[in-house]
Amino acid sequence: NAGVMQNPRHLVRRRGQEARLRCSPMKGHSHVYWYRQLPEEGLKFMVYLQKENIIDESGMPKERFSAEFPKEGPSILRIQQVVRGDSAAYFCASSRAGVGTDTQYFGPGTRLTVL
Amino acid sequence: GQNIDQPTEMTATEGAIVQINCTYQTSGFNGLFWYQQHAGEAPTFLSYNVLDGLEEKGRFSSFLSRSKGYSYLLLKELQMKDSASYLCAVRSNTGKLIFGQGTTLQVKP
Repeated sequence: NAGVMQNPRHLVRRRGQEARLRCSPMKGHSHVYWYRQLPEEGLKFMVYLQKENIIDESGMPKERFSAEFPKEGPSILRIQQVVRGDSAAYFCASSRAGVGTDTQYFGPGTRLTVL
Repeated sequence: GQNIDQPTEMTATEGAIVQINCTYQTSGFNGLFWYQQHAGEAPTFLSYNVLDGLEEKGRFSSFLSRSKGYSYLLLKELQMKDSASYLCAVRSNTGKLIFGQGTTLQVKP
């Protein structure tokens, strides 16, 4: 039983480049959430997606950030023109359903470093 | 607004009991979660409360009072491996988790 998979685990980008972070949910889970953890800070919600739908993007910065969860394949969090302040750990979580008693299970995270 | 408060740091002795408190003020409530996070690793699920009362799971218990906006995580028979951050999170009505800053627990011999 594979858990939530994220890749890459570590990503280094120079300012102005693009970063693509991938997340494959647990088997049987169709709800994906992205969270960001800045150094020495708590986890902050970014976006919640179901297959082909964005349900809640209230935590996404208005510019440079986008997310998708296509019918086939992993969810992608895309950051364009990265800046130093984007350096953080990005965690993906998945659940079977969005509400009710379902627990969100977290992947190992992608640690993004912007030089 | 959304506000979740936990102590920043706690220290306890191996074999002892420790209680980590969490207070919350959120515009919606659909359950409260506790996660454990070791440095550099993913948060791992510990417990979930949606109704008032105590949920027990081995050495870990979690309590919720919705009227007081209060929860605690109780860890018994502390082990060195329990040294980690403990994250309190409220699930909103839309499904997202709102996290506190986390409590770093150091267990000493």
